Amino acid sequence: QQQVRQSSQSLTVWEGETAILNCSYENSAFDYFPWYQQFPGEGPALLIAIRSVSDKKEDGRFTIFFNKREKNLSLHIKDSQPGDSATYFCAANTNAYKVIFGKGTHLHVLP
Amino acid sequence: GGIITQTPKFLIGQEGQKLTLKCQQNFNHDTMYWYRQDSGKGLRLIYYSITENDLQKGDLSEGYDASREKKSSFSLTVTSAQKNEMAVFLCASSIANQAPLFGEGTRLSVL
Repeated sequence: QQQVRQSSQSLTVWEGETAILNCSYENSAFDYFPWYQQFPGEGPALLIAIRSVSDKKEDGRFTIFFNKREKNLSLHIKDSQPGDSATYFCAANTNAYKVIFGKGTHLHVLP
Repeated sequence: GGIITQTPKFLIGQEGQKLTLKCQQNFNHDTMYWYRQDSGKGLRLIYYSITENDLQKGDLSEGYDASREKKSSFSLTVTSAQKNEMAVFLCASSIANQAPLFGEGTRLSVL
């Protein structure tokens, strides 16, 4: 049973477009949702995170939209660049310590 | 800034061998984690530790042992390496209810 689900295994956009990566979850007790960016050969790097008391979090070109009632969230990458091509992981906290990850979405940004 | 150092970066083992992976962090974080990353399966939690000498099992703990010798270090032992096993083992650390920060990973291949 997958507790954190990322709807697309792969997503391709053109440079300059907004990439939208979707994530849903099952456990209504989750209250903290970080997103990570991972390049080949590297560990995941924390990109942006949101708490369930908020419905939006913005950091530069990256925005999380959160819908608590529907138990889903999305990461929007505005003005996508080829350098944004990476794997993006959605994650969620079940308690203060245990963090559960989705399977990741491979984003390809074409020049 | 701090850093998480995983050793070794690459590990080649033989079937049935006991293998130990090490992780050090200088963030002074209380919580440390070991995740396994397989292609297409995201990150799966093996063990985590919320303080020195504490151990908590994750979803994938069978076949592994872990040890939190001191606050800054967390080691993982593969008790019996499986033939043709290939995976990346990621160590992370965090303070309570914050997103874990990851090391670069140890890449395991079993012959």
